[in-house]
Amino acid sequence: EPEVTQTPSHQVTQMGQEVILRCVPISNHLYFYWYRQILGQKVEFLVSFYNNEISEKSEIFDDQFSVERPDGSNFTLKIRSTKLEDSAMYFCASSAGGAGHEQYFGPGTRLTVT
Amino acid sequence: DAKTTQPNSMESNEEEPVHLPCNHSTISGTDYIHWYRQLPSQGPEYVIHGLTSNVNNRMASLAIAEDRKSSTLILHRATLRDAAVYYCILKAGTASKLTFGTGTRLQVTL
Repeated sequence: EPEVTQTPSHQVTQMGQEVILRCVPISNHLYFYWYRQILGQKVEFLVSFYNNEISEKSEIFDDQFSVERPDGSNFTLKIRSTKLEDSAMYFCASSAGGAGHEQYFGPGTRLTVT
Repeated sequence: DAKTTQPNSMESNEEEPVHLPCNHSTISGTDYIHWYRQLPSQGPEYVIHGLTSNVNNRMASLAIAEDRKSSTLILHRATLRDAAVYYCILKAGTASKLTFGTGTRLQVTL
C-alpha cells in the first residue's frame, strides 16, 4: 500500500540554524500539506500546496518557513532560523483531491531545537 | 471552521463494539465529516469520511444523523490496537486543510 515517507525521523539543531524536513508524498497525489504537533498539544495546520504554489497557510507559517517541491517526488519544509518554540513533530500529508478526499500522513519528523 | 464537540475520553472492552459520538450543530451543507485517529507516537491516520449517507469501510462505520448535526464513529470490534485519540473534523467544501481538536482518547482493555 502506498505511503507517505518523511526524513529524517529525528533532527536536532541549534537555535538559529536552518533545517529542511523532507517528505515523499504518495505518487499520484496532487495536494500536499505540513502540520506540526508540539508535545502534548493539538495537531496544527501549517500550509497546503497545490499546483506548485501555496494554496493556504496558517498564522504559524511566517516568513521563517517555506515549502518547495523541487522535483516530481519530494516536498520539503524549510525553517530558516529555528527557535526553541519550533521544537515539535512535523507531519507531512498528501491527498488526491480537496475537501471530499482523505489525507494520508507520514510518520513525522521530530525536530528538537536546543 | 465549524466546530465539533467530542467526549474527552471513552473506555471499551476488547472485542466489544465502540460508538464514538461527535456533535457538529453548526455544520454547513458543504462540510464533509472526517474521522482520523492518532495512535501513540504516530502521525494521524485516516479512518472514514462522509457527507450525508452512512458509510462503511474496512476500519469502521460512520453513522450520520438525518439533520447532520451529529455523527457516530462505530468500531465493530475494538482491539487493543484501536487505542488512540479519535478526531472528528468538519472539512469545508472549498477548503482542504484539517483542523484538529482535542479528540476522544479511547482506551481499550482486556
